[in-house]
Amino acid sequence: EDQVTQSPEALRLQEGESSSLNCSYTVSGLRGLFWYRQDPGKGPEFLFTLYSAGEEKEKERLKATLTKKESFLHITAPKPEDSATYLCAVQGDKSGSEKLVFGKGTKLTVNP
Amino acid sequence: DVKVTQSSRYLVKRTGEKVFLECVQDMDHENMFWYRQDPGLGLRLIYFSYDVKMKEKGDIPEGYSVSREKKERFSLILESASTNQTSMYLCASSLLSPGQGAGYTFGSGTRLTVV
Repeated sequence: EDQVTQSPEALRLQEGESSSLNCSYTVSGLRGLFWYRQDPGKGPEFLFTLYSAGEEKEKERLKATLTKKESFLHITAPKPEDSATYLCAVQGDKSGSEKLVFGKGTKLTVNP
Repeated sequence: DVKVTQSSRYLVKRTGEKVFLECVQDMDHENMFWYRQDPGLGLRLIYFSYDVKMKEKGDIPEGYSVSREKKERFSLILESASTNQTSMYLCASSLLSPGQGAGYTFGSGTRLTVV
């Protein structure tokens, strides 16, 4: 069974204090690993897709990386507006499966 | 701008009422999904559909049903609302992608309160 574990559950940073969020996964044949950002009371917003180990994607202060067992979301010099819950999800190659398996998320708070 | 639209942001319903949550996508996506999201439990899949008039149960289908009469519309039905169905409901859609995975596009969510 495909599984995703995110750590830490919650993270508090000071503005400008860089850090990383972790997403550990087990999946039968990775077809994609996805990162989403979710603001309170809203639907998740797509950030990145990673397909193979060694791949990296960047967007503003965020950088996502992928190994065969985990993905990291690196946040460089965060600002208060980066405060949100970050969700990780995987899609495997089980026959007929178009579903994503989600982790429970990391709630990030960036204090000014 | 492509999007997934959920008909209501907030709903308050009484116990025992039949509740309809509507979701429409304009991206010609084959796949559509309904999740509920609760604190500490994360996203849980209720039902999904890979094609018109097709549906499959997710992890927590009890107390729910769905309808997909047209490709762009996927409705979630609470047959007899109960207080334990108070939650945030999220609709999502994705392309059928046999090779590389395709991520979801989510709607903005419906916060349902059953009193």
